[in-house]
Amino acid sequence: DTEVTQTPKHLVMGMTNKKSLKCEQHMGHRAMYWYKQKAKKPPELMFVYSYEKLSINESVPSRFSPECPNSSLLNLHLHALQPEDSALYLCASSQGLAGMNTGELFFGEGSRLTVL
Amino acid sequence: QQPVQSPQAVILREGEDAVINCSSSKALYSVHWYRQKHGEAPVFLMILLKGGEQKGHEKISASFNEKKQQSSLYLTASQLSYSGTYFCGNKAAGNKLTFGGGTRVLVKP
Repeated sequence: DTEVTQTPKHLVMGMTNKKSLKCEQHMGHRAMYWYKQKAKKPPELMFVYSYEKLSINESVPSRFSPECPNSSLLNLHLHALQPEDSALYLCASSQGLAGMNTGELFFGEGSRLTVL
Repeated sequence: QQPVQSPQAVILREGEDAVINCSSSKALYSVHWYRQKHGEAPVFLMILLKGGEQKGHEKISASFNEKKQQSSLYLTASQLSYSGTYFCGNKAAGNKLTFGGGTRVLVKP
């Protein structure tokens, strides 16, 4: 199984809502990532988890809250978002360990978020 | 530091060749290349780990010049399936992969 599965595929939420994005992989990868991608732009790194510990937070606003309950799951909790947060949110995983310059990223198909 | 890619877009006829360049003002520790088709997730093409290393994926190959802090992706005898946006990525310590701005490739019949 070489898949990264993300749910939901589409999400519409109001600025006062609380919602979560979910990501799952069963490849035994120990690094997991959240990226944000706006239309016609590259994916921008938000968070990296390595061995279930947050290793990188790219100064993301606190209205985005990541969680890694176990090595296969990654969540992104959303609260009080702004319309400019509307984007495609991509989850990825890799086998590479922190500090090593290896590691193909396997991306999920993304969750397309619209904030009204 | 985001790598810089050029050109931003290229249109090819099937069978033609193209080169996509990726450069950085800071050291490139390793270079990753991904392709993203419209409405799909980015898909890994190859990693270049050492200076001068060249890799290939079907008729897509790449080189890495560590001294010049540059990498180039070569699309040879392009096929319709090569259409998409190509991203290079600079991988630093801590599993941080930063993507360049992307090069949109359209291969026409």
